[in-house]
Amino acid sequence: NAGVTQTPKFQVLKTGQSMTLQCAQDMNHEYMSWYRQDPGMGLRLIHYSVGAGITDQGEVPNGYNVSRSTTEDFPLRLLSAAPSQTSVYFCASSYSGPTYEQYFGPGTRLTVT
Amino acid sequence: SQELEQSPQSLIVQEGKNLTINCTSSKTLYGLYWYKQKYGEGLIFLMMLQKGGEEKSHEKITAKLDEKKQQSSLHITASQPSHAGIYLCGAPSRTAGNKLTFGGGTRVLVKP
Repeated sequence: NAGVTQTPKFQVLKTGQSMTLQCAQDMNHEYMSWYRQDPGMGLRLIHYSVGAGITDQGEVPNGYNVSRSTTEDFPLRLLSAAPSQTSVYFCASSYSGPTYEQYFGPGTRLTVT
Repeated sequence: SQELEQSPQSLIVQEGKNLTINCTSSKTLYGLYWYKQKYGEGLIFLMMLQKGGEEKSHEKITAKLDEKKQQSSLHITASQPSHAGIYLCGAPSRTAGNKLTFGGGTRVLVKP
């Protein structure tokens, strides 16, 4: 099993550009989530999904969109990048919610100039 | 909303020495999760505590949950270079079980 994969690993955007961060898992997990990690602030939940077709907002959803058309994929879209979105983004999946062991991807380091 | 505060924020320990990390919640804990992050990588699940007074161990790492104090501690015995990294605690909300709140993390450096 590949586990949770994320692409790209690094990305530089200019303010106002849009892009999609890809996340895929091959463990047939129902729950998937996106977090951002900023220095000294731990991980903050952006959006999550409890199954295909079902998404909900986390703690810091503004400026981000998600969709879940399949169990395997959970892309994160930045609509109009801002410098405040410079961060490291992690995708995670678990069997049935965050109270089960979550498996994390390697992260995407995004810089917005 | 629930907040988790970790202490210390960072620590340097001599190889072979013990260390303890604390995670204190602003609200009642209904479970506590410990993860470890190696520098530049994703998080790896360490252990889960679900009941007050619960204590779990894995290799040289022991975690305890003190429900009354709304606190959990992570203790590493005889630290090794492989223990270096960032340790994060996470807790679910009573009213939003699909969301996990994380603490700010504790950065651990083990000096050989």
